[in-house]
Amino acid sequence: GAVVSQHPSWVICKSGTSVKIECRSLDFQATTMFWYRQFPKQSLMLMATSNEGSKATYEQGVEKDKFLINHASLTLSTLTVTSAHPEDSSFYICSAPSGRLHTEAFFGQGTRLTVV
Amino acid sequence: LAKTTQPISMDSYEGQEVNITCSHNNIATNDYITWYQQFPSQGPRFIIQGYKTKVTNEVASLFIPADRKSSTLSLPRVSLSDTAVYYCLVGDANTNAGKSTFGDGTTLTVKP
Repeated sequence: GAVVSQHPSWVICKSGTSVKIECRSLDFQATTMFWYRQFPKQSLMLMATSNEGSKATYEQGVEKDKFLINHASLTLSTLTVTSAHPEDSSFYICSAPSGRLHTEAFFGQGTRLTVV
Repeated sequence: LAKTTQPISMDSYEGQEVNITCSHNNIATNDYITWYQQFPSQGPRFIIQGYKTKVTNEVASLFIPADRKSSTLSLPRVSLSDTAVYYCLVGDANTNAGKSTFGDGTTLTVKP
């Protein structure tokens, strides 16, 4: 099946710094990717839709200036957490549809971000 | 996106069949039902998808009644490695898969 890879798997950063997370579709092209955030013991929450060649669409309540999304190619979307704070510590997951109708999405393995 | 309701948790023993039911009373005509499995610190993994009646693959079966207001994921003879959170999602077949509203999911614990 299709593979979506995230990098890094985990990252620890200091408060105030920025962190970039990459999401790649390894064997298929994805004009659209999705970014989720998951806090401990909670469900996934959709943050934004990443669109190749155009601006990302953010869900209500998600700060677009804090969570910068760039979808520069058909196989790569990046999420940059700017000026990270401890409350941004979370599990970030990306996904991409396989391209066929009514079928599954493929999720990355997730990135554990810890801001200290 | 239709809202889904699942039991928060379920316990089972190795070798048993597990059935997890999901309610989706507001499911729309174009909506498909998809189930995902998530292990701790991993992204969700697709299990099965269906529109109506019954779907079966190598890992699970999905039963959908005629009114489609609920669905049941059936895991035959579970093992300890099936301990995970299971999510039921309902979404329009004409939109990109992946833009999903995840409910709370069902935490399945399989005991020896």
